[in-house]
Amino acid sequence: DAGVTQSPTHLIKTRGQQVTLRCSPISGHKSVSWYQQVLGQGPQFIFQYYEKEERGRGNFPDRFSARQFPNYSSELNVNALLLGDSALYLCASSVTSGRTYNEQFFGPGTRLTVL
Amino acid sequence: ELKVEQNPLFLSMQEGKNYTIYCNYSTTSDRLYWYRQDPGKSLESLFVLLSNGAVKQEGRLMASLDTKARLSTLHITAAVHDLSATYFCAVSDFGNEKLTFGTGTRLTIIP
Repeated sequence: DAGVTQSPTHLIKTRGQQVTLRCSPISGHKSVSWYQQVLGQGPQFIFQYYEKEERGRGNFPDRFSARQFPNYSSELNVNALLLGDSALYLCASSVTSGRTYNEQFFGPGTRLTVL
Repeated sequence: ELKVEQNPLFLSMQEGKNYTIYCNYSTTSDRLYWYRQDPGKSLESLFVLLSNGAVKQEGRLMASLDTKARLSTLHITAAVHDLSATYFCAVSDFGNEKLTFGTGTRLTIIP
């Protein structure tokens, strides 16, 4: 089975622009989470979506938004890009959400560079 | 707010030696994860620890969890060069899937 896929692999933008990153979860997985990993740091939680509803939001400004589609794929949008948004953006999927244990599987990531 | 600390941040060790990476977290949690990350790559799941006293082993890596001390360890036995990578621990809150990651331990195995 295919793993979590993300597109694009790399992206270069300039300050003030907007960017959309895409994620397709593992088949059968209904939960998608987004993480930002700045170079030299651990990943930071941005959003979690389950069944098209937002289930969690990290400490990120409103410039960051996301959505999940009926096929459970997801998009992460970042507006008014800043230099500090340069990072590896990781998507993770799991089967369900909630109290039962669900291992998260990470995609290869999108490397965003803001100039 | 859940906080996760790892130490050491950097670890350089010779092949064949043993060492331990420590992961402390600040509040009660029901799940502790260990991940490996190679440079420029994504996260590879190594272990999931779900209960106090849990111990899991895979090859030269062994992870354990002490929920009372809020401490997990990743022990490396007879290190080989292929284990060179950055290792992260992560903890999730009860009832949700948000992962809070540690700062990572960059491990370099020297021949």
